[in-house]
Amino acid sequence: KAGVTQTPRYLIKTRGQQVTLSCSPISGHRSVSWYQQTPGQGLQFLFEYFSETQRNKGNFPGRFSGRQFSNSRSEMNVSTLELGDSALYLCASSLATGQETQYFGPGTRLLVL
Amino acid sequence: GENVEQHPSTLSVQEGDSAVIKCTYSDSASNYFPWYKQELGKGPQLIIDIRSNVGEKKDQRIAVTLNKTAKHFSLHITETQPEDSAVYFCAATYTDKLIFGTGTRLQVFP
Repeated sequence: KAGVTQTPRYLIKTRGQQVTLSCSPISGHRSVSWYQQTPGQGLQFLFEYFSETQRNKGNFPGRFSGRQFSNSRSEMNVSTLELGDSALYLCASSLATGQETQYFGPGTRLLVL
Repeated sequence: GENVEQHPSTLSVQEGDSAVIKCTYSDSASNYFPWYKQELGKGPQLIIDIRSNVGEKKDQRIAVTLNKTAKHFSLHITETQPEDSAVYFCAATYTDKLIFGTGTRLQVFP
């Protein structure tokens, strides 16, 4: 069974631009969670989607948004990029929402200049 | 509020020795505790997890123990090998979210 895939793997943007990252979960998994990983803050939860609905949200500004499609694929968008948005963005999928085991993708490394 | 503390931040051991990483969580309602291993350039990989209805779980050289009263859980790696070198993260559930510890960089020297 194929794992979680994320595209693109690397991205360079400039301040003020916006970016869209994509995540395809493991086949059959209906929940997708997004995390931001930085050296200073570690792994921080952004949001979770299940059945095309946002089920949970972390403490990030409204510039960070996401959505999920009927095939469970998910996208996250960051608008008006700031230097501090440079990070590894990780997507994790699980069978369902709640206390389910999460499996991570390789991440998208975003560099904001 | 949600918080998971992880110690130590770095750990160096000789090949063949054991390694122990400890985590403390704050929410007594947490009932799922996974451990992830992250190698350079890769996403975190689940290596073992434990639910609150058991106190210990073992998988070959890896074991996790849970003390719900003290809100502690620990990862034990025996007979360490150089390929165990990575960053390890513990996590605990908090209102259906996973809250991660700050990570432990484990180095196993041959």
